[in-house]
Amino acid sequence: DAGVIQSPRHEVTEMGQEVTLRCKPISGHNSLFWYRQTMMRGLELLIYFNNNVPIDDSGMPEDRFSAKMPNASFSTLKIQPSEPRDSAVYFCASTRLAGATDTQYFGPGTRLTVL
Amino acid sequence: AQSVTQLDSHVSVSEGTPVLLRCNYSSSYSPSLFWYVQHPNKGLQLLLKYTSAATLVKGINGFEAEFKKSETSFHLTKPSAHMSDAAEYFCVVSDGGNYQLIWGAGTKLIIKP
Repeated sequence: DAGVIQSPRHEVTEMGQEVTLRCKPISGHNSLFWYRQTMMRGLELLIYFNNNVPIDDSGMPEDRFSAKMPNASFSTLKIQPSEPRDSAVYFCASTRLAGATDTQYFGPGTRLTVL
Repeated sequence: AQSVTQLDSHVSVSEGTPVLLRCNYSSSYSPSLFWYVQHPNKGLQLLLKYTSAATLVKGINGFEAEFKKSETSFHLTKPSAHMSDAAEYFCVVSDGGNYQLIWGAGTKLIIKP
């Protein structure tokens, strides 16, 4: 099992640029999550998809952030325009179901630095 | 509302000595509880989880945790620390039977040679 795959692993960009983060969940998993981790705020859930449909995007900080899941094996998180305060590690996680007992499997993360 | 408190932000132990990372939770439901580990510049890996079966849960790398409902605790232990255990550990509780995970602030485990 390849696990959750994220790309790129590191991204450095300048303020105002568009940033696209990519995620491939584990095959057979129906639920996908995007998280952001910072020193100040810890781990925050940004958005949750179930069967490719966004179920909860209440954690998306503002309209500059958008996420899509065009099929069961691919999701993107886009920031446009990026700002320095978006600098963080962004994790994608997937799970077979989305119940309380189901384990979320995390990708290695994308470390984003916005200058 | 559900919440998780990790009682120590940092724990330092010598290699070969026991490890105790403390976690208290509050939950209105029968909770599911997890411990995740994050090594420096790495992703989050599940160590173990409790889902209302046996109260003593064994995980990977020799870690275990005991669910104590009366104390609302889910402390993580390991009999003998290894240098490779140096990492940050997160205690997590599920929120009311759905996908929402409530994360503790994390405990950084430091292993002294």
